[in-house]
Amino acid sequence: GENVEQHPSTLSVQEGDSAVIKCTYSDSASNYFPWYKQELGKGPQLIIDIRSNVGEKKDQRIAVTLNKTAKHFSLHITETQPEDSAVYFCAAQEAGANNLFFGTGTRLTVIP
Amino acid sequence: SAVISQKPSRDICQRGTSLTIQCQVDSQVTMMFWYRQQPGQSLTLIATANQGSEATYESGFVIDKFPISRPNLTFSTLTVSNMSPEDSSIYLCSVDVGLNQPQHFGDGTRLSIL
Repeated sequence: GENVEQHPSTLSVQEGDSAVIKCTYSDSASNYFPWYKQELGKGPQLIIDIRSNVGEKKDQRIAVTLNKTAKHFSLHITETQPEDSAVYFCAAQEAGANNLFFGTGTRLTVIP
Repeated sequence: SAVISQKPSRDICQRGTSLTIQCQVDSQVTMMFWYRQQPGQSLTLIATANQGSEATYESGFVIDKFPISRPNLTFSTLTVSNMSPEDSSIYLCSVDVGLNQPQHFGDGTRLSIL
């Protein structure tokens, strides 16, 4: 089955700086890669996703890049704000399947 | 995206008892899923709740421990049976509205077993 690794496990940045979280996956059949943000006491919230036919996707301060050859994808947050502080999870899904395989999470802290 | 409500939001239970968690969606959805998130950990899929048929369980999860119902396209329940302290987790319901659509999650049920 799919194995998703995520780094770093914790990340602290100064407000206004950029944050980058990286994930690798093992199954070349995976073709869908969402990112979720989980705040304390809440469920994971989808913030951005990318499919394997696209190399990069951007939504305001958030961007995701995908390298299918290397089997890795990354989340980029620019101009970080304190409200970006949360746990971020990457995930991968195989074509035609419903199961999402999650990374181990990154706790991002943005220091005002 | 769909609005997902889970009940209860949290509970503290005695070992050996069972608890049923409800998941209600504000629109009809194709797929409903149940995940477990152990303290400080990632999410692990327990099962896919199939409307009108038995749930599909992932490796390591069995129907006797986690019976699931899905009587219609907007509602599902997960029961955690014969609970032990190791079952202390957040249990999350998620849905997707169709093929190649993203999954959206409820806020979860925080379960502690004494």
